[in-house]
Amino acid sequence: EPEVTQTPSHQVTQMGQEVILRCVPISNHLYFYWYRQILGQKVEFLVSFYNNEISEKSEIFDDQFSVERPDGSNFTLKIRSTKLEDSAMYFCASKEDKIAKNIQYFGAGTRLSVL
Amino acid sequence: KNEVEQSPQNLTAQEGEFITINCSYSVGISALHWLQQHPGGGIVSLFMLSSGKKKHGRLIATINIQEKHSSLHITASHPRDSAVYICAVMSRGGADGLTFGKGTHLIIQP
Repeated sequence: EPEVTQTPSHQVTQMGQEVILRCVPISNHLYFYWYRQILGQKVEFLVSFYNNEISEKSEIFDDQFSVERPDGSNFTLKIRSTKLEDSAMYFCASKEDKIAKNIQYFGAGTRLSVL
Repeated sequence: KNEVEQSPQNLTAQEGEFITINCSYSVGISALHWLQQHPGGGIVSLFMLSSGKKKHGRLIATINIQEKHSSLHITASHPRDSAVYICAVMSRGGADGLTFGKGTHLIIQP
C-alpha cells in the first residue's frame, strides 16, 4: 500500500540552527500538509500546499517556517532558526485531491529535538 | 474557530468489551476523521465521515451532523487496540487543515 515517507525519524539540533524536514507524499497526491505535535499536546495544523504554493497556514506558521516542493516528489519543511519551543513531532500528510471525501494519509513523523 | 472535544480522555477496559469514544465539535464541518496514534507516534487514518456510519472490521464510526457529534466504537476489543484515538475535523468554507481533539488514550487489558 502506498505510504507517506518522512526522513529523518529523529533530528537533534542546536538552538538557532536551520533544519529541513523531508517528506515524500504518495505519488498521485496533489495536496500536502505539515502538522506538529508538542509532547503531551494535541496535533496542530501548520500549513497546506497545493500547486506549488501555500493554500492555507496557521498562526503558528510564522516567518521562521517555509515549505517547498523542490523536485516534484519531495515536500520539505524548513525552520530557519530553531527555538527550544520548536521541539515537537512533525507530521507530513498528503491527499489525492480537494474534495472533502478524500482522506489525508500521514507519515510516521519526524521527532525534532532542539537543544 | 472549531473546538473539538473528546471523551473520555482515558479509558481502560478488559479484552472483549465494547468501547465507545465520543467527539463533539462547535462549528459545522465538511468532514470528520478518526485517527489512531500508537506509542511510537505514527498516525493512521481510520475513517473519514461526512454523514451516517462507516464500518471497517471491528471498528464502527458514526456521525450526527445536526448534533455536531461523532462516535467511534470498537467491538470485541483486543489488547492490540490499545492506542490513542484522535478525532479531527475539516471545517467548511474551503479551509483544508484539520483541527484535532486531544485524543482518547485507550488501554485494553488481557
